[in-house]
Amino acid sequence: SQQGEEDPQALSIQEGENATMNCSYKTSINNLQWYRQNSGRGLVHLILIRSNEREKHSGRLRVTLDTSKKSSSLLITASRAADTASYFCATTREYGNKLVFGAGTILRVKS
Amino acid sequence: EAGVAQSPRYKIIEKRQSVAFWCNPISGHATLYWYQQILGQGPKLLIQFQNNGVVDDSQLPKDRFSAERLKGVDSTLKIQPAKLEDSAVYLCASSPLQRQGPIGYTFGSGTRLTVV
Repeated sequence: SQQGEEDPQALSIQEGENATMNCSYKTSINNLQWYRQNSGRGLVHLILIRSNEREKHSGRLRVTLDTSKKSSSLLITASRAADTASYFCATTREYGNKLVFGAGTILRVKS
Repeated sequence: EAGVAQSPRYKIIEKRQSVAFWCNPISGHATLYWYQQILGQGPKLLIQFQNNGVVDDSQLPKDRFSAERLKGVDSTLKIQPAKLEDSAVYLCASSPLQRQGPIGYTFGSGTRLTVV
């Protein structure tokens, strides 16, 4: 069964606003990864945060990880229409092992 | 570098027919995964290979699904016979071993299967 849950299920914002998505998981992890998926196509890796890290940045993306609460958040700053997609968090207990995905957050950025 | 290649992109079959999907991972990636993604859900692992050996197939419906990775490179996933509930996107992904990473896993564009 999928262990991750994302919140909210859907998010609609205006271009230029920030978007925050949250993810919770149930078991211990080695790392947590965020992926983007456009219109049912393949997933694109966005960022990976290890279990001993608390925050990571990549361009307009900021990811936090709280292992005590088994939760993570993805912040997209200054959103663009091109950011419209589904966003998934995924965890793995050990790198190279399977990723367990949440149900995803659908983000719509209106121009 | 070339990405993960999958074919076909789309497939429509009738229930009880058989279908096969093909995946070619990134060169040098030892680990290959097949995921099933039903509309509105996150991907679910079907099977994981490391080189040509199966690491995890606990969620593979073995009465109808089979997969192989001969020579530890490309892989095929087969469904026989297909059921309506097999309609989904089948995603292939690959990753290097830990000592080369860790980096994110690389996914192909997927095969969208419709069973009618």
